[in-house]
Amino acid sequence: SQQGEEDPQALSIQEGENATMNCSYKTSINNLQWYRQNSGRGLVHLILIRSNEREKHSGRLRVTLDTSKKSSSLLITASRAADTASYFCASYSGAGSYQLTFGKGTKLSVIP
Amino acid sequence: DGGITQSPKYLFRKEGQNVTLSCEQNLNHDAMYWYRQDPGQGLRLIYYSQIVNDFQKGDIAEGYSVSREKKESFPLTVTSAQKNPTAFYLCASSLRNPNSPLHFGNGTRLTVT
Repeated sequence: SQQGEEDPQALSIQEGENATMNCSYKTSINNLQWYRQNSGRGLVHLILIRSNEREKHSGRLRVTLDTSKKSSSLLITASRAADTASYFCASYSGAGSYQLTFGKGTKLSVIP
Repeated sequence: DGGITQSPKYLFRKEGQNVTLSCEQNLNHDAMYWYRQDPGQGLRLIYYSQIVNDFQKGDIAEGYSVSREKKESFPLTVTSAQKNPTAFYLCASSLRNPNSPLHFGNGTRLTVT
């Protein structure tokens, strides 16, 4: 079952521009996580935001969470070609669940 | 260096054969997971284990089996009962804490013909 859905499915920007990806989820959450996947590789954890947080920063990453709208956004500022990857949001499927459920991802292309 | 090792990176099998994918971690994590990824899709959970000698089915467990005899190892067997086994398989591990992120291996790409 799909807990998160990212939007857009694909995004192409010029190097130096900002990239914004959105995620919507269905059930209540303890936290929401964002991961990056380079082509043909495993996922790498980027940032975790807890349900009682509204915004979190890590380097060039900024994540927001709106629990009333069941949505989150990931902003990558001053993008680089190396940011080209797929980005996934993930959350646990309900209280007490150990199943981390992923969306289908946003494929980001940063053009040099 | 601590991490998760999946082997092999590429695996080819004939239809009707069982195949086992290896996953080993030296992060001292209690929890381990197997996900399947199809082209352009998200990850779907096959099986997960929160502790040695215990595991639970995920969303798409049919046609798969696992074992968890050691903390470090969580092998996945793709049986001949799995109708569409060709996919990218990802293993992950984490602490038994819902606020702990997952650490992933680099995957095994299985092709069944």
